[in-house]
Formats: sequence, structure tokens, C-alpha cells
Amino acid sequence: DVKVTQSSRYLVKRTGEKVFLECVQDMDHENMFWYRQDPGLGLRLIYFSYDVKMKEKGDIPEGYSVSREKKERFSLILESASTNQTSMYLCASSLSGQIYEQYFGPGTRLTVT
Amino acid sequence: AQSVAQPEDQVNVAEGNPLTVKCTYSVSGNPYLFWYVQYPNRGLQFLLKYITGDNLVKGSYGFEAEFNKSQTSFHLKKPSALVSDSALYFCAASYNTDKLIFGTGTRLQVFP
Repeated sequence: DVKVTQSSRYLVKRTGEKVFLECVQDMDHENMFWYRQDPGLGLRLIYFSYDVKMKEKGDIPEGYSVSREKKERFSLILESASTNQTSMYLCASSLSGQIYEQYFGPGTRLTVT
Repeated sequence: AQSVAQPEDQVNVAEGNPLTVKCTYSVSGNPYLFWYVQYPNRGLQFLLKYITGDNLVKGSYGFEAEFNKSQTSFHLKKPSALVSDSALYFCAASYNTDKLIFGTGTRLQVFP
């Protein structure tokens, strides 16, 4: 079974802090994704990585950056957290190719106060 | 623009009755279509996908989905709902890319 793990289930940070969210997958998938989920808005793609050190902006990259130094690990960085970044963050991975489904981690609920 | 629509925020159904969760997609190429389910405080789980071939696709937990090209729809169905099916359901599409476009989600409530 594919397993995608995220470093924290719940996180509380203060405005202006730098925040790191970590994601690890164990199935040697080429693709990794970071989404945020907000009620009524569904899932919105923040960043996508299709290979080590390769990344592509998603629909809402502002205020975020990512790092993929190893194939199994994809980090999301909030450079200076703001209250409007309070959300559920979901990581996913997939094989390369549009026919393949994505496998999701359990999510990190981030609250910025 | 490419998009996925789930017209119902919530669907209520009695246990044992058939259920349908609706999804339509924009006509812009030939997308591949997916359904995912999210239980409370969990990530999304893949249910099924349509790539090509038979318009009726069978998936996990007794769910199936019907692809209708003329109506640009991909509705999720189950012949007999269970209380444990209560969850948030997402339809998604990929248009010539590995990225998915998600609908806004439909909350399914199954009442005993």
C-alpha cells in the first residue's frame, strides 16, 4: 500500500513565523503535490513537483515555497505565516502520467494566530 | 477554462436507498475523471477513475460512476447507501497534465 505521511496533524503558529510542513511518500512516486483545503473552495493546488529539485507553481503559490531535495520528501514552507493561511494542508503523490490517481496524506490543520 | 462542478453542497439519503452525487466537467479536450472520498479529519481516498472504454466504472466500497460524454457528466452512484458512506466526496479531472482540478465537494449524509 502507498503511504503518504505528513509531519504534523495539528500545528499552531504565530503570525510572522516561518513554518515548515513535511511530507514523505514510500512508493517511489515521481510526482508530489501540496494542496490547501478550505470549506466551499475544495482543494486548491499550491505547488507541484515532478522530479527532484523540479517544481511548478499551482493556482495559489503566493506566500509559499517548496523544496524537494530527495524523491520521497516534499516540503512546504510558509515564509512568514499570516492568519489567512490558516487552513488544512494536504500532501499527495502519484506516478508520472495523467491516468494515475493521487495518494493523499492525512493532512495538517494549521492555525495561525 | 477547464473546470469541474459539483452542483450540490449536500446530498441527504436514507440508508438502503440508492444515492447519486453529481459531477460535471468542462469540455476542453478529453479529461480523465476521478472520484475521491474524505472521511472526517482524514486525507482523501481514491474511489474510482474513468480513463476510456466502458462508461460504467466500478470502484471501492460498492461505488460506481457513469461517464456521459454528451452531458459532460461523471456522476457517482451506489445502489444501496450505508450510514458509513457519510463523508465528503470530491470529483476531479486531469486535462493533458498530471495535475488534477477538483470540484468543491459534496457532503453526503446517510440517515438510518
